[in-house]
Amino acid sequence: DAGVIQSPRHEVTEMGQEVTLRCKPISGHNSLFWYRQTMMRGLELLIYFNNNVPIDDSGMPEDRFSAKMPNASFSTLKIQPSEPRDSAVYFCASSLVGGNIQYFGAGTRLSVL
Amino acid sequence: QKEVEQNSGPLSVPEGAIASLNCTYSDRGSQSFFWYRQYSGKSPELIMFIYSNGDKEDGRFTAQLNKASQYVSLLIRDSQPSDSATYLCAGPPGFQKLVFGTGTRLLVSP
Repeated sequence: DAGVIQSPRHEVTEMGQEVTLRCKPISGHNSLFWYRQTMMRGLELLIYFNNNVPIDDSGMPEDRFSAKMPNASFSTLKIQPSEPRDSAVYFCASSLVGGNIQYFGAGTRLSVL
Repeated sequence: QKEVEQNSGPLSVPEGAIASLNCTYSDRGSQSFFWYRQYSGKSPELIMFIYSNGDKEDGRFTAQLNKASQYVSLLIRDSQPSDSATYLCAGPPGFQKLVFGTGTRLLVSP
């Protein structure tokens, strides 16, 4: 059974460019979470969806960040324009609604130069 | 104050010893806690969760929850070099939403 799938695994871009990160949750899971991990701040929840609907986006740092979940099997996190301080590892996780056990994807390492 | 706090370590133990990892939390309403293990360059992996006061054992791992004192601990018995990783404690401040500690790095020396 495939786990949470994220792409790309690595992304290097220049400041000001648009970055799109992708996530496919575990089949049957209807909650999806986007996290950002840095050495300074640890693992932070950015936004999460239940049944494709955004429930809590209070962790989204600013308007440059947006997330969508057009269907149950796909979500995107977009940064436009990107800045060097956005450099981090971005994880996607999924779970069942009503369940607290979250399963993480392999992450996308983003470097903004 | 962060909602979930951990000592960043590193915690160094010799192979075969018991490693004790601790976590404190500020939200008295938190009902459940999770321990994730994260190897360097990898994603967090759930190893234990605990919902009630007391101990929960799973193989070499024991999670302990003390709601009165607001701390959670993870004991790893017979520590192995392969246990060397960062251990993240997480608790929900609300339904589904997890807050993670910054993690404790564990080093098990052969």
